[in-house]
Amino acid sequence: GAVVSQHPSRVICKSGTSVKIECRSLDFQATTMFWYRQFPKQSLMLMATSNEGSKATYEQGVEKDKFLINHASLTLSTLTVTSAHPEDSSFYICSATTGGAGNTIYFGEGSWLTVV
Amino acid sequence: ILNVEQSPQSLHVQEGDSTNFTCSFPSSNFYALHWYRWETAKSPEALFVMTLNGDEKKKGRISATLNTKEGYSYLYIKGSQPEDSATYLCACSGGSNYKLTFGKGTLLTVNP
Repeated sequence: GAVVSQHPSRVICKSGTSVKIECRSLDFQATTMFWYRQFPKQSLMLMATSNEGSKATYEQGVEKDKFLINHASLTLSTLTVTSAHPEDSSFYICSATTGGAGNTIYFGEGSWLTVV
Repeated sequence: ILNVEQSPQSLHVQEGDSTNFTCSFPSSNFYALHWYRWETAKSPEALFVMTLNGDEKKKGRISATLNTKEGYSYLYIKGSQPEDSATYLCACSGGSNYKLTFGKGTLLTVNP
């Protein structure tokens, strides 16, 4: 299957700083990428959908000024957590697809963020 | 907003046993159902994407069925092996968009 790479896999940052997570589709062009967050014992929750070259669409309750998403190319999307707080500590994972509602959606490995 | 439920939450079986678990979802506004296999520290691996009522797909010892009218899908594993141990996730999209709503997963442990 197609490969999606996410980096870093683990990051620790101080409160008030910003941290960037990258999501790359290595062997296909991803017209659409998704960012999810998962809290312990909960399901993956969609945060936002990003289409290459346009602004991301955020899910209800997700602050777009806090979670900045950029999808500048067909192979790269970034999630920047700004002014991080300890409550932002979570598992973040991206996915990517070539498009089409019945197409396979491929996931990265995920990133553990700890804000201290 | 879709509500996707998976059961059981966790399951222990012996090597060689066959097993199955369930994903249920609202039958209205359904478009596609995705099954993933997720091992710790790895990417979720896409197993199946299913859209048609009555659809049945197979990949090696793993197969899945879909009933969109009653809103459920079954995932079957025949002759479980220890390497099948993982969390199995199902996710649904409603309408003609790609946004997936996930269940909490079924954690399968296969004992040798």
